[in-house]
Amino acid sequence: AQKVTQAQTEISVVEKEDVTLDCVYETRDTTYYLFWYKQPPSGELVFLIRRNSFDEQNEISGRYSWNFQKSTSSFNFTITASQVVDSAVYFCALSEASSGNTPLVFGKGTRLSVIA
Amino acid sequence: EAQVTQNPRYLITVTGKKLTVTCSQNMNHEYMSWYRQDPGLGLRQIYYSMNVEVTDKGDVPEGYKVSRKEKRNFPLILESPSPNQTSLYFCASSLYWTGDQPQHFGDGTRLSIL
Repeated sequence: AQKVTQAQTEISVVEKEDVTLDCVYETRDTTYYLFWYKQPPSGELVFLIRRNSFDEQNEISGRYSWNFQKSTSSFNFTITASQVVDSAVYFCALSEASSGNTPLVFGKGTRLSVIA
Repeated sequence: EAQVTQNPRYLITVTGKKLTVTCSQNMNHEYMSWYRQDPGLGLRQIYYSMNVEVTDKGDVPEGYKVSRKEKRNFPLILESPSPNQTSLYFCASSLYWTGDQPQHFGDGTRLSIL
């Protein structure tokens, strides 16, 4: 069965520090997709990135970067030069390629607090 | 603006009083789903719908009903709410369910069942 583990429940950093959020996943499928979502204090869920299992290239978007490593089943998220607006709960999620229902399976989330 | 709209955003009610949380999307998406979010548990799927008239149970369907009579709407029904259904609920949609489509989430509905 698919599973996502976010071992870090809460992280606090001082503004401008770099921070990495860990995500480890389990799946039996060879084709699957990994996602990161952000949940700011206002509560909505904001899609950040999707990665498919055949694309191990790292991705950078501004201060955000993602490191996908199939060898360790990890999809880690790094925020460089963190800002107070980055304070949120971040969820890693996994889905398997299917024509039927394979729901997004979420990790339990990591609460990031960036202190000014 | 493309969006998923849930109503109400907040509701406090009592045990046993039937309630409906509405969900509507304007993106012509085939796939819609309901999740609940509980502290320490992350998000878990309640029900999903692959397309109109096709719905099925997710991981935690007990105590809930859904219907999908039109593509854009996917209401969540609690026939006899109980305190263990106090939670934050999200409706989501995606163009299809092939696993690769990002799901678009509504802003959430916080339900308190007393």
